[in-house]
Amino acid sequence: DAGVTQSPTHLIKTRGQQVTLRCSPKSGHDTVSWYQQALGQGPQFIFQYYEEEERQRGNFPDRFSGHQFPNYSSELNVNALLLGDSALYLCASSLDARRSGNTIYFGEGSWLTVV
Amino acid sequence: AQTVTQSQPEMSVQEAETVTLSCTYDTSENNYYLFWYKQPPSRQMILVIRQEAYKQQNATENRFSVNFQKAAKSFSLKISDSQLGDTAMYFCAFMKPSTGNQFYFGTGTSLTVIP
Repeated sequence: DAGVTQSPTHLIKTRGQQVTLRCSPKSGHDTVSWYQQALGQGPQFIFQYYEEEERQRGNFPDRFSGHQFPNYSSELNVNALLLGDSALYLCASSLDARRSGNTIYFGEGSWLTVV
Repeated sequence: AQTVTQSQPEMSVQEAETVTLSCTYDTSENNYYLFWYKQPPSRQMILVIRQEAYKQQNATENRFSVNFQKAAKSFSLKISDSQLGDTAMYFCAFMKPSTGNQFYFGTGTSLTVIP
């Protein structure tokens, strides 16, 4: 049973460019959340998707957007990249966010470097 | 707003010894969950242990146990018989069901187990 998978593993972008990161949740999971982890910091919540809709959003600008597909996989898009967007982007999946306390599984992350 | 504080940026412990990592949090909620996650150099977030706030009994998972003091809003992690594989960043995290499994993480404690 595959866990949470993310792609790409590493990528380098230039300021002003756009990037798309992808996530496949653990089998059977229908809820996907995205986190940004800057170097030396704890992960910060970006947003969460359930039933193809954004359910929750953290304190991130509109440059950060996402999508969830019918198969529950998800994409994170970041437009107009800034140097400060350089971070590890973690995807987390769980079963039905409405059920409290479900175990959350994290992917290995996508390292984004903006130069 | 929920905040999670880890006041020990770095800690070290001799192999086979016991170490305690501290965490405090701030919330006005009554129903919530607390977690300790381990993040080794591979960057994958691995669940170590979790505690439901409504349970008075402290959670235990093999060599890992917590000291949950709800009134003091304290949630420390004790690692017994430390092993070299325990070397990692450890993050304390808070989650409340009302925000659909959104995590609030501390800044982490870097633990080094010395042979």
